[in-house]
Amino acid sequence: NAGVTQTPKFQVLKTGQSMTLQCAQDMNHNSMYWYRQDPGMGLRLIYYSASEGTTDKGEVPNGYNVSRLNKREFSLRLESAAPSQTSVYFCASSETSGTGANVLTFGAGSRLTVL
Amino acid sequence: DAKTTQPNSMESNEEEPVHLPCNHSTISGTDYIHWYRQLPSQGPEYVIHGLTSNVNNRMASLAIAEDRKSSTLILHRATLRDAAVYYCILFRNSGNTPLVFGKGTRLSVIA
Repeated sequence: NAGVTQTPKFQVLKTGQSMTLQCAQDMNHNSMYWYRQDPGMGLRLIYYSASEGTTDKGEVPNGYNVSRLNKREFSLRLESAAPSQTSVYFCASSETSGTGANVLTFGAGSRLTVL
Repeated sequence: DAKTTQPNSMESNEEEPVHLPCNHSTISGTDYIHWYRQLPSQGPEYVIHGLTSNVNNRMASLAIAEDRKSSTLILHRATLRDAAVYYCILFRNSGNTPLVFGKGTRLSVIA
């Protein structure tokens, strides 16, 4: 089982460039999430999608857009990258929220540097 | 949202038990207590969760106080591979509220 796959693993951008981080899961999970993690910090939620066709803002959504393309895929787009968006980005998926479990499975992360 | 408080860091000797505390004094009746850990340069991984009763699995045990205002993650025999950041998170079992991570406890294991 691949679990949660993120691409690319590493990316360097110049300020103002755009890019899309891709995430795909093969566990038939309903919910998917994008988090960012800055050095020495915990994870902060950017956006999440409780089910196909829905998306909601998390703690730090500014500067990002998301698309839940289908049940498997959830992409994160930076329209105009800024140095403050230099971070490690994690995608995760889980069983439908509303149960006590809601166990998240994370991808390996995408390290983004904005110069 | 209910918050959790964890020590910034802890240290343990290899092959000794480790007790990682978490305070959650504003926990509500529908909040589940979840623990995740993040090994260096990896994404977080699920460890254990519980509601009211103590829980055991192959990775760890979770001891929940009777008033549910605190909990303790127990690693029975720490190994070097257990060195990680451990996150204690409350998950509200209503609607579509996602998990919100704090800064966690960085556990160092000494050989």
